Amino acid sequence: AQTVTQSQPEMSVQEAETVTLSCTYDTSESNYYLFWYKQPPSRQMILVIRQEAYKQQNATENRFSVNFQKAAKSFSLKISDSQLGDTAMYFCAFMKLGNQGGKLIFGQGTELSVKP
Amino acid sequence: DSGVTQTPKHLITATGQRVTLRCSPRSGDLSVYWYQQSLDQGLQFLIQYYNGEERAKGNILERFSAQQFPDLHSELNLSSLELGDSALYFCASSVDAGVYEQYFGPGTRLTVT
Repeated sequence: AQTVTQSQPEMSVQEAETVTLSCTYDTSESNYYLFWYKQPPSRQMILVIRQEAYKQQNATENRFSVNFQKAAKSFSLKISDSQLGDTAMYFCAFMKLGNQGGKLIFGQGTELSVKP
Repeated sequence: DSGVTQTPKHLITATGQRVTLRCSPRSGDLSVYWYQQSLDQGLQFLIQYYNGEERAKGNILERFSAQQFPDLHSELNLSSLELGDSALYFCASSVDAGVYEQYFGPGTRLTVT
């Protein structure tokens, strides 16, 4: 069974600074996707970034980028130029590819506070 | 706005009761997923439907059931409710089964008293 671990329950960062959230996962699969979701106080789940396991290049979406280390089964999220609106719970998630469906397996989350 | 709608937004009910949560996927999406978010269990996958058929099952209790109707909306039925069932229930949808892009609805907050 796949597991996702986020070892940092809480983090804080000053506005405009850079912060990195950690995530490790355990799987024997070779084809999978990894995601970071953001859940602001509104509770809406918002997809931040995704990474296909077969791609060596790290994904980037504006101020958000990942460091994907497949051999180490590590998938960290870097947020550059942090903004107050980045304050949220961040979840790392794993999805195995296959005809059995696309269920997401989530980590426990990291609560990020961006301070002015 | 993801295009996924869930009703009701909030639900307060007593132990032992039965409730139905409703989800309408994005237009064109065939697959619907249900997730439960609670303080002690975190975010957990419950069940997936694709074009009316059950595709994958997760940690869904026997007291819970779901279905997807011909118009592709889905309902999650929770019966014999317990205090521990209090949680935020999310529905998500995707174009196809196994496609990575899942769009989440705003959730239904269930409180069992």
